[in-house]
Amino acid sequence: AQKVTQAQTEISVVEKEDVTLDCVYETRDTTYYLFWYKQPPSGELVFLIRRNSFDEQNEISGRYSWNFQKSTSSFNFTITASQVVDSAVYFCALSEADTGRRALTFGSGTRLQVQP
Amino acid sequence: DAGVTQSPTHLIKTRGQHVTLRCSPISGHKSVSWYQQVLGQGPQFIFQYYEKEERGRGNFPDRFSARQFPNYSSELNVNALLLGDSALYLCASSRGLATHNEQFFGPGTRLTVL
Repeated sequence: AQKVTQAQTEISVVEKEDVTLDCVYETRDTTYYLFWYKQPPSGELVFLIRRNSFDEQNEISGRYSWNFQKSTSSFNFTITASQVVDSAVYFCALSEADTGRRALTFGSGTRLQVQP
Repeated sequence: DAGVTQSPTHLIKTRGQHVTLRCSPISGHKSVSWYQQVLGQGPQFIFQYYEKEERGRGNFPDRFSARQFPNYSSELNVNALLLGDSALYLCASSRGLATHNEQFFGPGTRLTVL
């Protein structure tokens, strides 16, 4: 069965520090997609990135970067030079193509607090 | 373009009542999914609809039902409310059913059951 684990419940950093949010997933499908979403206090989930299982290239978008490693079933998210506006709950999610399960399976989330 | 909209924003009900939550997808999106997010947890999949047909169902009791209308908007109904149904209910829309399709989420409806 599919599963996403975010072991870090809460992380607190000081502004300008780098922070990495961990995500480990389980799936039997060979084709799947991994996502990261941000949930600010307003509650709306904001899409950050999508990665398919055949593309292990790391990706960088501004201060955000993602490290996908199939060998360890991990899809970690790093924020460089964190800012107060980065404070939110971050969710990693998985969808599976082989079984046709299109629903997103979310992890339990990591609450990031960036102190000024 | 407008994003996914949901109504109402907040709702308070008592045990045993029923509730109807509404969702309007982004224009051009034909798929709507519903998720339940209990405080402190990640969203849990409830239903997915595409072209007015149910295409996926999560592990929720029959008290939960949904439908999609010809304009692709959707309703989620919950009967015989329990205290445990208190949660943020999120609606997401996507262009189609493909697994890689990005799902755009609405602001949610916060349901409190007393």
